[in-house]
Amino acid sequence: GAVVSQHPSWVICKSGTSVKIECRSLDFQATTMFWYRQFPKQSLMLMATSNEGSKATYEQGVEKDKFLINHASLTLSTLTVTSAHPEDSSFYICSAETGLWETQYFGPGTRLLVL
Amino acid sequence: AQSVAQPEDQVNVAEGNPLTVKCTYSVSGNPYLFWYVQYPNRGLQFLLKYITGDNLVKGSYGFEAEFNKSQTSFHLKKPSALVSDSALYFCAAYNAGNMLTFGGGTRLMVKP
Repeated sequence: GAVVSQHPSWVICKSGTSVKIECRSLDFQATTMFWYRQFPKQSLMLMATSNEGSKATYEQGVEKDKFLINHASLTLSTLTVTSAHPEDSSFYICSAETGLWETQYFGPGTRLLVL
Repeated sequence: AQSVAQPEDQVNVAEGNPLTVKCTYSVSGNPYLFWYVQYPNRGLQFLLKYITGDNLVKGSYGFEAEFNKSQTSFHLKKPSALVSDSALYFCAAYNAGNMLTFGGGTRLMVKP
């Protein structure tokens, strides 16, 4: 089946630094990629939707200047957490789909710890 | 506001018995409904979705879900549980113009 990878799988950084997370669809072209955040109580929140070549659509309450998303190609989307703070520590998951409301394929997630 | 509720934090069932993981939603209009599963140390996996049509939707690994508009529910079911079904299950709902909203998750424990 379709595979989505994320890199890195985990990262520890100092407060104030920026962290980039990559999401790649390995064997298919993804028209749309999604970024989610998983909170300690394990609920998921959709952060943004990105389409190749266009600006990401952010969900209400998500700071677009803090969570920069770049969908550079049909197989790569990146999430950059800028000036990270401890409250940004979380589990970030990306997913990719080949068409509107087609099956979403999820990456393994990236655990971010900001000290 | 749109919301998805999974009223049970954990469901325990014996192997071979039927299982149900409950989900109710509050979405205006006609919702799109999804179930995802997260196995330990692995990413989320899509199980099934309801967009339109038959209220009973069949998905991966023998799971199915029934869309009930009057009860605003989309419960996940399987006739015979396996130990390997033990995982975290998420229900999600989407309505055009709103965000994709996930429930809080339900941990399914299937005991031998």
